[in-house]
Amino acid sequence: GAGVSQSPSNKVTEKGKDVELRCDPISGHTALYWYRQSLGQGLEFLIYFQGNSAPDKSGLPSDRFSAERTGGSVSTLTIQRTQQEDSAVYLCASSPDPSYEQYFGPGTRLTVT
Amino acid sequence: GEDVEQSLFLSVREGDSSVINCTYTDSSSTYLYWYKQEPGAGLQLLTYIFSNMDMKQDQRLTVLLNKKDKHLSLRIADTQTGDSAIYFCAESAGGFKTIFGAGTRLFVKA
Repeated sequence: GAGVSQSPSNKVTEKGKDVELRCDPISGHTALYWYRQSLGQGLEFLIYFQGNSAPDKSGLPSDRFSAERTGGSVSTLTIQRTQQEDSAVYLCASSPDPSYEQYFGPGTRLTVT
Repeated sequence: GEDVEQSLFLSVREGDSSVINCTYTDSSSTYLYWYKQEPGAGLQLLTYIFSNMDMKQDQRLTVLLNKKDKHLSLRIADTQTGDSAIYFCAESAGGFKTIFGAGTRLFVKA
């Protein structure tokens, strides 16, 4: 079956603009995660959804970052007023259950100029 | 807070064994994972071990866990050029939160 997909695969934006990143999880997976991967850094946890609710938003770096998930499926991560330090690869993962293996998408590479 | 550390680079010759090491701090870790990331792709689970195990073998892969020292290693026997990738160590206490290391970039020289 289809894996986790993310769009766009690459995004270049000017500092100060807003961006939306999209994640389509594997059908039926109730858990969805967003991570940020910066060069030489580990995966930084951003947010976790169980169904449509986000019990843990503690990883969001600032109030410029928000995420939502609708219908227990697609999720969007929005970054407002982007800064150069937001440049990174944003990875989405889904899982049939929070304690199970996570299946990762290919990521969105965001470059803020 | 919880932390996972691993060296950033490893270079081996084709046919040799690779050993990638990882240390973690969370004593309540239940699951320990190794994920592989190939260029331009997301992470893919390679293998995992429960914290009550010392060793797990899966074909060319051997995972060793020293729970006392909080040390995890991944050995790849007969390393091939196709094994070149970034390998992430990760740990979870069984809830939703998984803590990842920075990844070890494995270079395999022909």
